[in-house]
Amino acid sequence: QQQVKQSPQSLIVQKGGISIINCAYENTAFDYFPWYQQFPGKGPALLIAIRPDVSEKKEGRFTISFNKSAKQFSLHIMDSQPGDSATYFCAARNGNKLVFGAGTILRVKS
Amino acid sequence: DVKVTQSSRYLVKRTGEKVFLECVQDMDHENMFWYRQDPGLGLRLIYFSYDVKMKEKGDIPEGYSVSREKKERFSLILESASTNQTSMYLCASTLWENTGELFFGEGSRLTVL
Repeated sequence: QQQVKQSPQSLIVQKGGISIINCAYENTAFDYFPWYQQFPGKGPALLIAIRPDVSEKKEGRFTISFNKSAKQFSLHIMDSQPGDSATYFCAARNGNKLVFGAGTILRVKS
Repeated sequence: DVKVTQSSRYLVKRTGEKVFLECVQDMDHENMFWYRQDPGLGLRLIYFSYDVKMKEKGDIPEGYSVSREKKERFSLILESASTNQTSMYLCASTLWENTGELFFGEGSRLTVL
């Protein structure tokens, strides 16, 4: 019930392409869905987040799509750049706890 | 600027040793967390604290304990380190207001031989 399932494990995208990472959950008590970005040697940092009453949120090249009925949400990175190469984690909050997906290693080839 | 500082970036310990991982935040956050990061498993919550001297078990508390004597400091303790505790440990803090953002430290990589 506390799990967040993330796919794919790794992703290679050409520069300028669209990167898509998907997450699914079961627990309907989750009330907040952030995405974190982690560069090597650094801690994760908040990239973008969405609440379940909204179906889409866009910040620059990054968009979260949220499907409440399907219990799925995804991150789209438009015009992917080599500087976007990092590990991405989806997450979901229940009360005081944030549960993370397994992570996706994104590599953008120039 | 927001800062979560983990005192040790790299540690090498022997099996059976007691290990202390220290975390300090300068943002006056009530909530602090210890996560463990392993490849393919993501970040798994070990313990969290929502106030001084308060603690709650996360998803994988076995083999760990924590201490929060002051608001800004949250310590993770491995009473008797084992090789399967070799991992990256991440501390985080938050207010759960506004953006609900967790602020992470840079991590402590522990190797248990």
